[in-house]
Amino acid sequence: DIVMTQGALPNPVPSGESASITCQSSKSLLHSNGKTYLNWYLQRPGQSPQLLIYWMSTRASGVSDRFSGSGSGTDFTLKISSVEAEDVGVYYCQQFLEYPLTFGSGTKLEIK
Amino acid sequence: QVQLKESGPGLVQPSQTLFLTCTVSGFSLTSYGVSWVRQPPGKGLEWMGRIQNGGSTDYNSALKSRLSISRDTSKSQVFLKMNSLQTEDTAMYFCARSSGTYWGQGVMVTVSS
Repeated sequence: DIVMTQGALPNPVPSGESASITCQSSKSLLHSNGKTYLNWYLQRPGQSPQLLIYWMSTRASGVSDRFSGSGSGTDFTLKISSVEAEDVGVYYCQQFLEYPLTFGSGTKLEIK
Repeated sequence: QVQLKESGPGLVQPSQTLFLTCTVSGFSLTSYGVSWVRQPPGKGLEWMGRIQNGGSTDYNSALKSRLSISRDTSKSQVFLKMNSLQTEDTAMYFCARSSGTYWGQGVMVTVSS
């Protein structure tokens, strides 16, 4: 199985500052078709996960442009520019290159 | 609009079998697959398995021996069956449309005697 490893944030993050969340995969998620099979989700307290980013860098419909995804085949970053109170929650990366699909352990964002 | 809703028993006894239903609307199960994901209290997300739009299934290897996912396309329902439940199976169980864009609200299942 592909193991997804997420980094921690130096919480709390001051409102208006930027935050970067890292994720590393044990196998390259870059497919021969040129696409990278990585999703980013935000799970707000008490809610279901919400898809933020797919194909490593494509924002899902309705997602603020304050969220951006980048990376290589195995190392990925979700950047949140100018964090706001509504960004609080746990962020998960997920690979969908192969089964079983696997998630990172989550990165909690708190706002000051 | 696209909706998914999980339903099932809130409490299951140890060693018993769990049956959950995911009822979908706004799309056809013959066009999109549906995954099951669970989350123990205070912990992270675990992908359990999925049924593809063509009806084939894929499972988390850690659960494969206990898990079965099926569907009734005429009723727009996807089913999860997992046997030999233990306390560590206590979790919120979600269904989600493939690609992860749409999720249900989840159903809490507690395994306890």
